[in-house]
Formats: sequence, structure tokens, C-alpha cells
Amino acid sequence: KAGVTQTPRYLIKTRGQQVTLSCSPISGHRSVSWYQQTPGQGLQFLFEYFSETQRNKGNFPGRFSGRQFSNSRSEMNVSTLELGDSALYLCASSLLAGGQETQYFGPGTRLLVL
Amino acid sequence: AQSVTQPDIHITVSEGASLELRCNYSYGATPYLFWYVQSPGQGLQLLLKYFSGDTLVQGIKGFEAEFKRSQSSFNLRKPSVHWSDAAEYFCAVGSSNTGKLIFGQGTTLQVKP
Repeated sequence: KAGVTQTPRYLIKTRGQQVTLSCSPISGHRSVSWYQQTPGQGLQFLFEYFSETQRNKGNFPGRFSGRQFSNSRSEMNVSTLELGDSALYLCASSLLAGGQETQYFGPGTRLLVL
Repeated sequence: AQSVTQPDIHITVSEGASLELRCNYSYGATPYLFWYVQSPGQGLQLLLKYFSGDTLVQGIKGFEAEFKRSQSSFNLRKPSVHWSDAAEYFCAVGSSNTGKLIFGQGTTLQVKP
């Protein structure tokens, strides 16, 4: 079974632009979560989606948004990019939603904001 | 509030030596605990998890972890480290009603030949 895939793998943007990242979960998984990883803040939870509904959101500004489609694929969008948004964005999928579910991570999208 | 602490930022061990990476958590109920490993430029790979039952759990690549409720710890161990184990290791706790994982700051493992 194929793992979690994320596209693109690398991205360079300039301040003020917006970006959309894509995540395809493991086949049959219905929950997708997003995390931001930076050297200073570590791994931080962005949001969790299940059956096209956002179940939980982390402590990030409204510039960060996401959605999930009926096939469980998910996208996250960051508008008005800031230098501090440079990070590795990781997507994880699980069969169902909830903390007892094991999350499987994709390789990440590395975003550089100049 | 839930939190995870990995006291050791960086650990160096010799190849063939034993390894123990420490993880302490703060969570009100029975936690769901995970260890992940990340190689440079890669995503996170699940090593093992604890939900309930036997407090000693076995994982992939010869790793094991022991859940100790009295010490709020979930330390990761390996009896003999290989050079390919060099990576960053993350301990995480998941709550019962959200899919949010809270991660520790990570421990970077360096393996000396």
C-alpha cells in the first residue's frame, strides 16, 4: 500500500505570496492532520480533518487554512506569506480520527519564503 | 496542559553500545504514546506506540519502549546501536478525543564508529 504523498516536495516563495500544499493519504484513511516543523518551535499541530470537516485547529493565525476533499485528499493554504513561515510542512493520515489512531507521516513539503 | 519533554537534545553513542532516549509526558488521563524517527530531509517514521496493556512495547528496527505511569515516562531503548540509527527521535503524546499529537523537542542521535 502506498504511503502518504505530499506535493510539491520543495517550494520557494516570496513574502506576501500565497501557497497551496497537497497531501494524499494512505488508501482507506479518512483523517488527515498537518504539522509545521521549524528548528525553533519544533513540531506544531496545524489542523486535523476527518470526512471533509475540520475537527481541530492549532494555534496558528487565520492565514493558515485547509480543506479536505471527498476522496480524503487534503490541501493547506498559507496566504500572505511571511519569512517565519519557512518550514517543513508534514501531513499525516490515519484510518479514523482521534488520539488513539496511529498517524503515518508523509515526506513533507519544504517551504522557503524569501 | 499536555506536554512532552525530551531532556536530551543530543546524544552520542558508539556503534554496538546500548541506547536509552528519555521521554517524560504530562497528561491527565491514560496517554497514547508514540516514538517516531526522522532522518535528515525526511518525514517521520513510526517506531512504536503504546495505547494500553503490556507496558513494554516492541517496535521496528529492534527498538523497545517502557511505559512507566508512576514516573510519567516512556523511554526508548535499543540494546545495540547501528550506524544507520543516527537520526532525530521524537516522542509524542496523543489525546483521547483529538487527533493532535504533541511532540517533544526531539533528541538527535549521533553514532560513533
